[in-house]
Amino acid sequence: ETGVTQTPRHLVMGMTNKKSLKCEQHLGHNAMYWYKQSAKKPLELMFVYSLEERVENNSVPSRFSPECPNSSHLFLHLHTLQPEDSALYLCASSQEGGQGGEKLFFGSGTQLSVL
Amino acid sequence: GQNIDQPTEMTATEGAIVQINCTYQTSGFNGLFWYQQHAGEAPTFLSYNVLDGLEEKGRFSSFLSRSKGYSYLLLKELQMKDSASYLCAAMDSNYQLIWGAGTKLIIKP
Repeated sequence: ETGVTQTPRHLVMGMTNKKSLKCEQHLGHNAMYWYKQSAKKPLELMFVYSLEERVENNSVPSRFSPECPNSSHLFLHLHTLQPEDSALYLCASSQEGGQGGEKLFFGSGTQLSVL
Repeated sequence: GQNIDQPTEMTATEGAIVQINCTYQTSGFNGLFWYQQHAGEAPTFLSYNVLDGLEEKGRFSSFLSRSKGYSYLLLKELQMKDSASYLCAAMDSNYQLIWGAGTKLIIKP
């Protein structure tokens, strides 16, 4: 148990569907992240929220829309996805101090399949 | 550009020692992380090195050479539960993590 919970664990959706991924952290951290993990590829950082404000958006297509209502919860809203968006979506949290070395605590991820 | 290289897959025998190498090229450097990820599970933190040298934590050790842009993770007395992917990540001058694609370690009896 890492202290970061993601739901659902698995999701299958059609290209016209709308769905949301949910992440909750119980660690009192002040930063939360969405990563995309595809087979045999490096983790891709999608979004970063620090103190509930988005501080990073790495040219992610607009069909992915993040929401951070408070420091413990993070959502990723999905719509009109493409088959190439099929991947494991990982949520993570950390306690940022600006000194480097802050380790990430990951959730177990949502395995997304887009048909 | 920024880049991390690590082997795609390695195989080792239970009870043996294995060394997983990682080379990095980043704009500035603020440390190197190793994470372990079992299939279908969350990546979990193993180690962080920012100074040259070897840091030991039980059966696992991590080494860093900043001048060579090189790190390795050393696993001793391998157990079947060590079968997992091992992710190397370097932090650049902007405190951004640059990730490798991971090394899948297979342990055989």
